[in-house]
Formats: sequence, C-alpha cells, structure tokens
Amino acid sequence: QQQVKQSPQSLIVQKGGISIINCAYENTAFDYFPWYQQFPGKGPALLIAIRPDVSEKKEGRFTISFNKSAKQFSLHIMDSQPGDSATYFCAARRRVSARQLTFGSGTQLTVLP
Amino acid sequence: ETGVTQTPRHLVMGMTNKKSLKCEQHLGHNAMYWYKQSAKKPLELMFVYSLEERVENNSVPSRFSPECPNSSHLFLHLHTLQPEDSALYLCASSQSPDQPQHFGDGTRLSIL
Repeated sequence: QQQVKQSPQSLIVQKGGISIINCAYENTAFDYFPWYQQFPGKGPALLIAIRPDVSEKKEGRFTISFNKSAKQFSLHIMDSQPGDSATYFCAARRRVSARQLTFGSGTQLTVLP
Repeated sequence: ETGVTQTPRHLVMGMTNKKSLKCEQHLGHNAMYWYKQSAKKPLELMFVYSLEERVENNSVPSRFSPECPNSSHLFLHLHTLQPEDSALYLCASSQSPDQPQHFGDGTRLSIL
C-alpha cells in the first residue's frame, strides 16, 4: 500500500510538444503529492506539488492533474523544451508519517530539438 | 552556497573498507534524511533525523550506520559493504513536516 507506480519509464517528445507522466497510488492516507526534477549529476529538486483538495495546479508550463477517485495524478509539461530533459519523480506523503516521502521509480524525459 | 552539500561526490571502496559520507545543510532546517538511489528504482528512504530523534527503515542493513551530531550535519558510516550497495546516496533536509525536502547532489558510491 506504500507504493507509488509511475509510468512511462522513459519518454521522448519533440520540442514544443506535451509531455505527460502518470502516477498511481493505493494508500488513501496520502495527502501530499510532489513532483521532483533531477538533472544528471544533481539531486532531485521540487518542481510542483498538489494536495487532494484540488484537481489541478498549474505553475508556468507545468501542470499537475489529480483524480482522487481514481487515485491517480499526472504531470503535464506544455511546450516541452530541450532544457526540460531530465528524470522526473512523483512522490506521495502520508499525514501521519509527514517526513517520509514514497517515491515513484522515475521517468527519463528526452525532449528533441 | 549550495543549501545541502555532500562530500565526497564520488567514492570507490573495497568490501572490507570503512568510510563515511558527510552531509551539511545551510538552510536552518531541523530534519535531515539519507536516501539510496539505484537505477530505475524509487528513491529509498534509509534514515530520518528530526530534532535528534532517529527514524529508520527497518530494511536497511546494519552495515550502514548514521550519525547526526547536530541539526546541520549528518554522516553515514559504511563498513563491510556489498556490491549491491553501489548506488547514489542522497542527503536531504526540511524545515518541518509540511515543508519540501531539499536534496544535495549525492555521493556516487562504487563497491569493488
């Protein structure tokens, strides 16, 4: 019940296209869902996060869509750029274990010029 | 200056060696974390130190031993490691449970 399943494992998108990464979870106690971006040789950095009381959150070209009933959430990158090429991780956190994030297995995104 | 600094960046060691990884955070946070990152696997939380209280993942082998002398410094002591312990070890910190975790750039560990 602690798992967060992420797909696809890798994604190739043309410049200007939309990148979509999906995550699914089982544990309904999760109440915070962040996305992290990791460039080669760097640690993950928080990109955007959402709580289950909203269905969508947008920050610039990055949007999280959240479907509470389906227990799914996704990251959409609009107008994808080569500089967006990185590994993206979804994660989830339970209120009672607030310091402990459960991560997905990551998606390696390549945006072609 | 980088918020979370890890040293060394790369470490190669034999299975019988003893070494330590160091993490320092300059963000004034009160919790620090060790994660293990292996290729194509989720980040695995190893240890959490919060206000000097330690929380650990029970699946972490005893050959990994954390130390947190104060809220700014965190160590991971390594001894008698196995080849499957080769991975990127990430340190993170956060101010409070509902605040984001900030990661360092990791130590790439290779066990010969």
